[in-house]
Amino acid sequence: NAGVTQTPKFRVLKTGQSMTLLCAQDMNHEYMYWYRQDPGMGLRLIHYSVGEGTTAKGEVPDGYNVSRLKKQNFLLGLESAAPSQTSVYFCASQVGLSGRSNTEAFFGQGTRLTVV
Amino acid sequence: GNSVTQMEGPVTLSEEAFLTINCTYTATGYPSLFWYVQYPGEGLQLLLKATKADDKGSNKGFEATYRKETTSFHLEKGSVQVSDSAVYFCALSDRVGFQGAQKLVFGQGTRLTINP
Repeated sequence: NAGVTQTPKFRVLKTGQSMTLLCAQDMNHEYMYWYRQDPGMGLRLIHYSVGEGTTAKGEVPDGYNVSRLKKQNFLLGLESAAPSQTSVYFCASQVGLSGRSNTEAFFGQGTRLTVV
Repeated sequence: GNSVTQMEGPVTLSEEAFLTINCTYTATGYPSLFWYVQYPGEGLQLLLKATKADDKGSNKGFEATYRKETTSFHLEKGSVQVSDSAVYFCALSDRVGFQGAQKLVFGQGTRLTINP
């Protein structure tokens, strides 16, 4: 009954360091998303994927890269971390029914990232 | 673009009080509307949804009605409990890119604290 699992849960980086956040889902969902949550701004979409091997940019993609080599995993990379990337990152997955707008998105527990 | 505006928080109520959290949206077409809840230290969970005008979503004593004429989706509960303390997000579905992927556009969130 895992659902969506994110690792790590917490991380502190120095400016310029790199890291990868991992998202894994066991629901066989086609669509996966990375959001960032900042105070007073809700969640904003960074990148998303509609299936294995495909990714696309969301609202705030700069400074991030993603990969979806396996259907169940969606990786978010920061090549050179900046203090502006201090945030809480959420991964979500959704069953892929093209054109259906009412399907539930399932969220991971989040990764709290601090860049100093 | 599509957007969601939520009542600003934080909101503090006493147990058994009546709750309203306002949510209005701007959208082309007729998106599905959602309320998500985030309990402390956890990811977001779907609380309720409505997919067309005049639909009422309900769950755990919470209700919200999709009002097309006022572009609103206000969250209500008749008698709140301490366990309802959480952050509540209003969201709408919005098409992104290609292949029917849907992203969620979130309001900024409303922190609700219920005192015994």
